[in-house]
Amino acid sequence: TQLLEQSPQFLSIQEGENLTVYCNSSSVFSSLQWYRQEPGEGPVLLVTVVTGGEVKKLKRLTFQFGDARKDSSLHITAAQPGDTGLYLCAGRAGGTSYGKLTFGQGTILTVHP
Amino acid sequence: GAVVSQHPSWVICKSGTSVKIECRSLDFQATTMFWYRQFPKQSLMLMATSNEGSKATYEQGVEKDKFLINHASLTLSTLTVTSAHPEDSSFYICSHNSGLRGGTQYFGPGTRLTVL
Repeated sequence: TQLLEQSPQFLSIQEGENLTVYCNSSSVFSSLQWYRQEPGEGPVLLVTVVTGGEVKKLKRLTFQFGDARKDSSLHITAAQPGDTGLYLCAGRAGGTSYGKLTFGQGTILTVHP
Repeated sequence: GAVVSQHPSWVICKSGTSVKIECRSLDFQATTMFWYRQFPKQSLMLMATSNEGSKATYEQGVEKDKFLINHASLTLSTLTVTSAHPEDSSFYICSHNSGLRGGTQYFGPGTRLTVL
């Protein structure tokens, strides 16, 4: 069973601060996805990374996939109250683009004005 | 991205009754759909994988006789919670793969089930 350890579990910061969320595993993933979820809604895809060492940017969000494809990070610059939500990483093992995802435990981010 | 809808968005039922939740893929023919359960402030827990035209695959610890899954077409999968009890109250979310490289998965908006 592949496990994804996501940290921190809770993050409460002030507007304008930077933060990083980590997902780590002892297993290799063929791809890793980051989602953001708001209360009462389904997760919304932020990014998919597939290549070891890959870095993707989405405005103030920077996503990195580890060289060995066992870990990933999400960095938010100058956080805003609108960034508040549950952030989830999810990895797919094996060499295919199908099959089930393994989810991290999630990070609840609260950005105070 | 792909559009996934769920119906109903919320439902309240009495203990002992059965509730059916529909999951539709609006712009993608999904041979496989996934059903998740989520408790407040927690991550998603995969319950089962729904396969079009065949039996669903259930995760360890999920009672297949309690959570009936039917995937009769490429655009519709249903989850029926039979003889619901208060402990079945949760947020149920379905999803399907996009077919894109990396296996991006798209999720429905979820269904909030409350069993009284």
